[in-house]
Amino acid sequence: DTGVSQNPRHKITKRGQNVTFRCDPISEHNRLYWYRQTLGQGPEFLTYFQNEAQLEKSRLLSDRFSAERPKGSFSTLEIQRTEQGDSAMYLCASSWREEADTQYFGPGTRLTVL
Amino acid sequence: KQEVTQIPAALSVPEGENLVLNCSFTDSAIYNLQWFRQDPGKGLTSLLLIQSSQREQTSGRLNASLDKSSGRSTLYIAASQPGDSATYLCAVRLTSYDKVIFGPGTSLSVIP
Repeated sequence: DTGVSQNPRHKITKRGQNVTFRCDPISEHNRLYWYRQTLGQGPEFLTYFQNEAQLEKSRLLSDRFSAERPKGSFSTLEIQRTEQGDSAMYLCASSWREEADTQYFGPGTRLTVL
Repeated sequence: KQEVTQIPAALSVPEGENLVLNCSFTDSAIYNLQWFRQDPGKGLTSLLLIQSSQREQTSGRLNASLDKSSGRSTLYIAASQPGDSATYLCAVRLTSYDKVIFGPGTSLSVIP
């Protein structure tokens, strides 16, 4: 088991462009979470999935943000019409109910919007 | 609304010292609490998870306690080492189907 992986690790884009991030969770984990983290702050919850169902979305997740987990395996997070305020580290985590939902995090994708 | 705070925001100690990091939460009806460490520019590494029915968990030099009634958890690190230098975050989940809320973290520096 290689743990949670995220791609790309770094993304630099110009304001107004669309970006998409991918997260591959630990294979047997049925829950997958997305967080956003800015410098000096703890991660802020964005959304989470149980299998392919999106169970909760934060109000931080504006209309420009969308997340999918089509087959209950990997997930994508898309940001449309990026703004400079979207610059942050985007973290993905996965968990398994049978392991008390202990969350395991990926290395993150650092987004810089110019 | 659940809020999570951590004190102190930063801590610097000499190598070998025992130390305590604090986490407070406003809603005591939690499902579990998890402690993480984060190295600069990296993702989070899970250290310990305490279920609501538990009072403490131990792993090596780490011991985490939970007092739901007072809304507090502590992370005790024994015999600190320079490799312990990182940011330590606590996170609480209200129910098994609820989101996880993180504190802002405590930045720890262990001086050789």
